[in-house]
Amino acid sequence: AQSVTQLGSHVSVSEGALVLLRCNYSSSVPPYLFWYVQYPNQGLQLLLKYTTGATLVKGINGFEAEFKKSETSFHLTKPSAHMSDAAEYFCAVSVTGGTSYGKLTFGQGTILTVHP
Amino acid sequence: GAVVSQHPSRVICKSGTSVKIECRSLDFQATTMFWYRQFPKQSLMLMATSNEGSKATYEQGVEKDKFLINHASLTLSTLTVTSAHPEDSSFYICSARRQYNEQFFGPGTRLTVL
Repeated sequence: AQSVTQLGSHVSVSEGALVLLRCNYSSSVPPYLFWYVQYPNQGLQLLLKYTTGATLVKGINGFEAEFKKSETSFHLTKPSAHMSDAAEYFCAVSVTGGTSYGKLTFGQGTILTVHP
Repeated sequence: GAVVSQHPSRVICKSGTSVKIECRSLDFQATTMFWYRQFPKQSLMLMATSNEGSKATYEQGVEKDKFLINHASLTLSTLTVTSAHPEDSSFYICSARRQYNEQFFGPGTRLTVL
């Protein structure tokens, strides 16, 4: 079974500051890892994903994440926060095979607040 | 590309009635769709996996007879909440899998049971 832990249910940054949202995962098989963003009363939008290959993944809106197997982490970063980045962010893990193939397990979510 | 729609976006119903929610992949075929439930200020919880042409696979603790899922075509899955009660009020989100375990999410349906 896999699990995801997002450290910090709320993160607050100033506009222009670095954004760092933490995600650690647990998986018995090689994982696929995802970051999604959710705006109020909307579905989830994929920011980026790691499947195989390069461990530093670049996504939309200037976000990127690095897969660190030794640390079982997949932290999301953005060099300079914009007001429009304020939303809830979910880290998710999916297994690559077995009976749970394709199922996403989500972290608890992190609400990002951006101050002017 | 990869657009998923849900209908309705919001529904209010009386206790005891049934509500059907549709999930459509608009520009790709999805042999697998997923249904999630999200309570306020909480994460998404997978309810069931919907496979085209076969029975849905439900997660532990999800009542099959209460949450009926039908995946009749490669672009449509429906979730019917039968005999809805106030505790079924929630935000229901579907997703459709395209490839490489990549899921695209619908905009969600807000169900309120009075």
